Amino acid sequence: SAVISQKPSRDICQRGTSLTIQCQVDSQVTMMFWYRQQPGQSLTLIATANQGSEATYESGFVIDKFPISRPNLTFSTLTVSNMSPEDSSIYLCSASSGELFFGEGSRLTVL
Amino acid sequence: TQLLEQSPQFLSIQEGENLTVYCNSSSVFSSLQWYRQEPGEGPVLLVTVVTGGEVKKLKRLTFQFGDARKDSSLHITAAQPGDTGLYLCAGSLRSGYALNFGKGTSLLVTP
Repeated sequence: SAVISQKPSRDICQRGTSLTIQCQVDSQVTMMFWYRQQPGQSLTLIATANQGSEATYESGFVIDKFPISRPNLTFSTLTVSNMSPEDSSIYLCSASSGELFFGEGSRLTVL
Repeated sequence: TQLLEQSPQFLSIQEGENLTVYCNSSSVFSSLQWYRQEPGEGPVLLVTVVTGGEVKKLKRLTFQFGDARKDSSLHITAAQPGDTGLYLCAGSLRSGYALNFGKGTSLLVTP
């Protein structure tokens, strides 16, 4: 299994600001993904973080709002841009070289 | 569109009871995973099933993958308060692709 570390684990942000979430995996992995989990809900895939190229976004998510980087096989970042209260959520990084494992999530509250 | 339909959404039972959670789809999955998530944490992988008709046991938990690889079930025998949590099924349409999650089943086991 892979150990996935995310930071920050939680943050409170002001409307209109941006926050970058970092995800570090303890081993090289083929695939990395970013999910969002809104309060009391299941996980929704935001995008697949592709190493060395632009991320692949799911319907309803765009690069301008959620820019993603993946400079190597163990690290990725997700930025939540121009935040509004509707962006308050848990953002989860996941990694796969077969089975999918998750970090503990970053809980964002936007005031 | 929800690819995976999970039921029931909520379940509250007494310690010692048995329960079954269902995960259904009209799509065929290359694999299906079950996760358990506790508040403030990321989902933790319980099991992966890949072969139609496969049955896997994890102590008091029994997982079954449908013959057509479109559905799965999780059965818990003699539930304990420590089983309380959010149970999520997730499926991958193609190997190496991101997982699609069901809406989850929130289980509460009271002493």
